[in-house]
Amino acid sequence: AAGVIQSPRHLIKEKRETATLKCYPIPRHDTVYWYQQGPGQDPQFLISFYEKMQSDKGSIPDRFSAQQFSDYHSELNMSSLELGDSALYFCASSKQGATTDTQYFGPGTRLTVL
Amino acid sequence: AQSVTQLDSQVPVFEEAPVELRCNYSSSVSVYLFWYVQYPNQGLQLLLKYLSGSTLVKGINGFEAEFNKSQTSFHLRKPSVHISDTAEYFCAVSRSVSNYKLTFGKGTLLTVNP
Repeated sequence: AAGVIQSPRHLIKEKRETATLKCYPIPRHDTVYWYQQGPGQDPQFLISFYEKMQSDKGSIPDRFSAQQFSDYHSELNMSSLELGDSALYFCASSKQGATTDTQYFGPGTRLTVL
Repeated sequence: AQSVTQLDSQVPVFEEAPVELRCNYSSSVSVYLFWYVQYPNQGLQLLLKYLSGSTLVKGINGFEAEFNKSQTSFHLRKPSVHISDTAEYFCAVSRSVSNYKLTFGKGTLLTVNP
């Protein structure tokens, strides 16, 4: 079965640079979530989108922005990168309204800020 | 708001021994409960979920969990563990099955020794 695809899998950036992370949800899934997992930490919710509209917002810094496109893929844009942004960024997708479906996670993008 | 407490940050066990990973939650509304597993340097994989119905839920890899509403617990169990079960296990809650953010516990590192 198709899974959530994230690209790139690894990304190395310098401080103050920008980064763009991409997420391709499972086919027919209409909701995308972004989570950030710092070293040795639990995943923290950043932001979610349903049908291309932002549906919820968590602890996402103002330097970050995200959107969901017409093909349901999503991009997380991160500017003025800081050392503390080094983390594993997960995307998850789900089908809203499905009584038995749930969030399925991608493999993550490991961002290292030097 | 929801919160999740995983009572043990690390659980070392010997191969073929039984294991229980504890999870308690707090919420003012009904929640849905999940266990995810994260192998080293990998993404999050859904082990099992409780949505409704039978309080005993069976998941993949021989794991099961029991929902106890009065104790607000959702402990994960396996009768006999293998070396390959060594991983980080996260308990998570959500207000909705498919369109609401997950709130994770801090995780429990299960280490299975020969």
